[in-house]
Amino acid sequence: GENVEQHPSTLSVQEGDSAVIKCTYSDSASNYFPWYKQELGKRPQLIIDIRSNVGEKKDQRIAVTLNKTAKHFSLHITETQPEDSAVYFCAASLSVRFGAGTRLTVKP
Amino acid sequence: EPEVTQTPSHQVTQMGQEVILRCVPISNHLYFYWYRQILGQKVEFLVSFYNNEISEKSEIFDDQFSVERPDGSNFTLKIRSTKLEDSAMYFCASRAGTGNGYTFGSGTRLTVV
Repeated sequence: GENVEQHPSTLSVQEGDSAVIKCTYSDSASNYFPWYKQELGKRPQLIIDIRSNVGEKKDQRIAVTLNKTAKHFSLHITETQPEDSAVYFCAASLSVRFGAGTRLTVKP
Repeated sequence: EPEVTQTPSHQVTQMGQEVILRCVPISNHLYFYWYRQILGQKVEFLVSFYNNEISEKSEIFDDQFSVERPDGSNFTLKIRSTKLEDSAMYFCASRAGTGNGYTFGSGTRLTVV
């Protein structure tokens, strides 16, 4: 079945810097790639997604890029703020399993 | 905005007891899931349910676990004989299709003592 790998497991940045989290997938038939944010003690929530017919999607300070050839997709957060501190999970459409998560800490 | 509803929010149970966790997925969604998350760890897949049957299950989902969709709205997870290591947050999720994102419920925190 589909396998999703996520890196890094932890990421610490200064406020205002950018953060990048990367996921790779194994099944080239996957065509939908969502990203979830989980704040401490809360449920995961969808923050952005991308379909395989586009290479990049932006929503204010967050963006997702997709490289179908290399089978990886990345979450980019620019001008990070302390409220961006959370665990981020990726997924691919043909997998019911999420990436292992990246704990992002934004230091003020 | 439609929500996935889970009850109870917190359940404490004695080891060996049966528990039933309840979920009401979003009404027009077709795919239903249970996940669990041990404190501070990753979100682990338990089971997926589509067209009134289990479509996939993980190695965690052994004979002690079962799921049911007894009517058109509820989706339940039963643990027959709870163990200490079953203590976790259990999330129900649903989605309209495999090309859509998951909507998660707020979770049930299960504590086995």
